[in-house]
Amino acid sequence: EIVLTQSPATLSLSPGERATLSCRASQRISSYLAWYQQKPGQAPRLLIYDASNRATGIPARFSGSGSGTDFTLTISSLESEDFAVYYCQQRSSWPSITFGQGTRLEIK
Amino acid sequence: QVHLVESGGGVVQPGGSLRLSCAASGFTFSSYGMHWVRQAPGKGLEWVTVVAYDGRDKKYTDSVKGRFTISRDNSKNTVYLQMNSLRAEDTAVYYCAKDLVTVGAQYHFDYWGQGTLVTVSS
Repeated sequence: EIVLTQSPATLSLSPGERATLSCRASQRISSYLAWYQQKPGQAPRLLIYDASNRATGIPARFSGSGSGTDFTLTISSLESEDFAVYYCQQRSSWPSITFGQGTRLEIK
Repeated sequence: QVHLVESGGGVVQPGGSLRLSCAASGFTFSSYGMHWVRQAPGKGLEWVTVVAYDGRDKKYTDSVKGRFTISRDNSKNTVYLQMNSLRAEDTAVYYCAKDLVTVGAQYHFDYWGQGTLVTVSS
């Protein structure tokens, strides 16, 4: 099973700051990685697929990068609605799909 | 717009059964693979199963093989999850989710339902 390790577990920032979230895979997964945002009591929302492609309707302040084993989600300037939990997910080893444990982005 | 509405969750005893449904609208249902993803209380996300756009191919995570069965009815725009021999560790919110691409499953999920809670407890 491919293990995805997200860091940090919690990130405390202020609105307007830049956020950098990391996801590391236990083996190479090419670019087969997605990022999701989840707010309390809500379903996850797809932000980025295949490492760097923004999903429909996702603001340009969200960007993804990386390939192989190391991936990054960047939020260029935090808005109040961006404070949430973020998950990465790999599809390289389908159907053995795995998610990271999540990074909580909280207001400082 | 795309809507996915799950139903059928509830409280069941260990060893019991439940059938979840997910009604879809706003897209050509018969062209997309459909998935179930679950989330235990306070925990992360776990992919459970997928059914291909035509219902012919199905995949499961190891922990539910032989106990859960996914199916779909393209005439009703609905996907189902039959869950048998339920265990305490199956307690979770179950989300249905639409695959990102048509026909072939890409295993990225672009629309999710609101989820339905399944609690397995005596």
